[in-house]
Amino acid sequence: ILNVEQSPQSLHVQEGDSTNFTCSFPSSNFYALHWYRWETAKSPEALFVMTLNGDEKKKGRISATLNTKEGYSYLYIKGSQPEDSATYLCAFGRGYNFNKFYFGSGTKLNVKP
Amino acid sequence: GAGVSQSPSNKVTEKGKDVELRCDPISGHTALYWYRQRLGQGLEFLIYFQGNSAPDKSGLPSDRFSAERTGESVSTLTIQRTQQEDSAVYLCASSFRSPGTSGVGTDTQYFGPGTRLTVL
Repeated sequence: ILNVEQSPQSLHVQEGDSTNFTCSFPSSNFYALHWYRWETAKSPEALFVMTLNGDEKKKGRISATLNTKEGYSYLYIKGSQPEDSATYLCAFGRGYNFNKFYFGSGTKLNVKP
Repeated sequence: GAGVSQSPSNKVTEKGKDVELRCDPISGHTALYWYRQRLGQGLEFLIYFQGNSAPDKSGLPSDRFSAERTGESVSTLTIQRTQQEDSAVYLCASSFRSPGTSGVGTDTQYFGPGTRLTVL
């Protein structure tokens, strides 16, 4: 069993606050890490694909970092808006010929106006 | 279509009945995945199809679960003799190439809207 853990499970912030959450995964045989945003009543939507240690990706107010040596990735949201409310999922791919992703249980973010 | 579609969007069934869930992937996507999310849990891999290769069924929880895919098109997930613990959102995703193709782990998975299955 391969554990991908996300913390916190849920987060409530005020509009304008900046926030971050964590995805932890096994550090051995890393291949790729994906971040997805899953809004209620919608499909999960890809945010970032990260493959290299030290990767930093940015999309608007959202950014992510990757540390494959210690097995974690951080997702940051600067100046949270109500439309950022969603569950954020990370998915870990292991090994060169992996065929499936191991998903964390997600961090549910609620941004209050 | 422009995205992955799934049907039905909601299914309520009685324990012991069979159900069939359908997924239409994005045209041209060779890889197709089925996942499920039970209440309070993460996405759980069920099965993966890549072109005409034998599917990776390692995530199917029991022999009551089966899935088929014709070529690189529609897939159906069948659950026989449903149990209450089968209640979940079943998600389908497709990607252009599988992660195991030429070492590509960067192809994004595009998800469908899911089917919410409730077994009474």
